[in-house]
Amino acid sequence: QSALTQPRSVSASPGQSVTMSCTGTSSDVGAYNYVSWYQFHPGKAPKLIVYDVTKRPSGVPDRFSGSKSGNTASLTISGLQAEDEADYYCCSYAGRNIHWVFGGGTKLTVL
Amino acid sequence: EVQLVESGGGLVQPGGSLRLSCAASGFSFGSSWMNWVRQAPGKGLEWVAGIKPDGGEKYYVDSVEGRFTISTDNAKNSVYLQMNSLRVEETAVYYCVKDGGWCHDYWGQGALVTVAS
Repeated sequence: QSALTQPRSVSASPGQSVTMSCTGTSSDVGAYNYVSWYQFHPGKAPKLIVYDVTKRPSGVPDRFSGSKSGNTASLTISGLQAEDEADYYCCSYAGRNIHWVFGGGTKLTVL
Repeated sequence: EVQLVESGGGLVQPGGSLRLSCAASGFSFGSSWMNWVRQAPGKGLEWVAGIKPDGGEKYYVDSVEGRFTISTDNAKNSVYLQMNSLRVEETAVYYCVKDGGWCHDYWGQGALVTVAS
């Protein structure tokens, strides 16, 4: 069982928006603004798409946005495109003893 | 362009050892924390180990403490994971991961480690 809880799957049609959650505890997600999100496409190296809760690396479209409330972080993808279909994982810093915790991943299906 | 290329994966018997290597390029290797993250089949991600750029600090997930060793060779721009006393449940894809600030900004494509008799 992963430290952070993510829904196993979400789906939406092209052009729509989808939000996926990442629930942790007051020791990780709730304690630090160091939540990041990663996109996994089969056969490709995983890609960072959001870091520090809300920031996007250069080259990541602004269709991807992150937020956090309490112990739950969220990733929203607006204007869904077929190429957004992938697995998404969240990660949070969890302090000097645990260091990093990840979620179990959410499979996004673009209908 | 940042590249992280893992090697050394394969089949090993329970209780056996394996050494993973990660060749890094495209960034200042001696300035970045490096990590290993694994994903067991059908499971989520698990951070395994991390090492400070100068190698002075190393951290491990509790389950591998004392059995795995992370190290770097700055002259070769490489990071390694020596895995001893491997367990069946440690069958996974092992990713070499670079840190950028407080996130993991670049990942390799992963190396499959299968622990089975």
